[in-house]
Amino acid sequence: EVQLVESGGGLVKPGGSLRLSCAASGFTFSSYSMNWVRQAPGKGLEWVSSISSSSSYIYYADSVKGRFTISRDNAKNSLYLQMNSLRAEDTAVYYCARSLSHWGQGTLVTVSS
Amino acid sequence: QAVVTQEPSLTVSPGGTVTLTCGSSTGAVTSGHYPYWFQQKPGQAPRTLIYDTSNKHSWTPARFSGSLLGGKAALTLSGAQPEDEAEYYCLLSYSGARGVFGTGTKVTVL
Repeated sequence: EVQLVESGGGLVKPGGSLRLSCAASGFTFSSYSMNWVRQAPGKGLEWVSSISSSSSYIYYADSVKGRFTISRDNAKNSLYLQMNSLRAEDTAVYYCARSLSHWGQGTLVTVSS
Repeated sequence: QAVVTQEPSLTVSPGGTVTLTCGSSTGAVTSGHYPYWFQQKPGQAPRTLIYDTSNKHSWTPARFSGSLLGGKAALTLSGAQPEDEAEYYCLLSYSGARGVFGTGTKVTVL
């Protein structure tokens, strides 16, 4: 069974940093592209970033480019999202998704002073 | 960045049929946008129903189908059930693997 478990969310001040993790199990992690998607409270889904299976191809939404960095460790079956220079508008539940087919349950990031 | 538009809300009778659409500000939606459709119920993570325009996952109920219709991506629900009441989002891919979600459609089964 495919399982994706996000962690690392929490409360952070504007301008601060946070690193999200996504632990994958139940499939060959190194064979799949991975994505981060977020959802602000009461709002719609927003695609954030994607990374190919070997990290050769990485893409970001304009809203996070230059501030967020996606990475993966195939040996540890883990996906990461390093978030710097956080803003109030980055407050959201962050989901990791395997090829946009399987989803984790999300981790809440709150940016507030 | 492209804007992807969906109907804000639609109502369907139990057992009825409804079609949701997904349009792009850049022009006609094609198979090259690899349209996805997701269902999300309150308090839950999204669930993927359709990928690459019309392909279903093993968990996708047969009453859901995807297509291209009049320059847009479309999700048709035939034989609506009470449990289909949810928010539905489409996603289109641009410039490689950059995705843009649609604005979402709230479907009410009434």
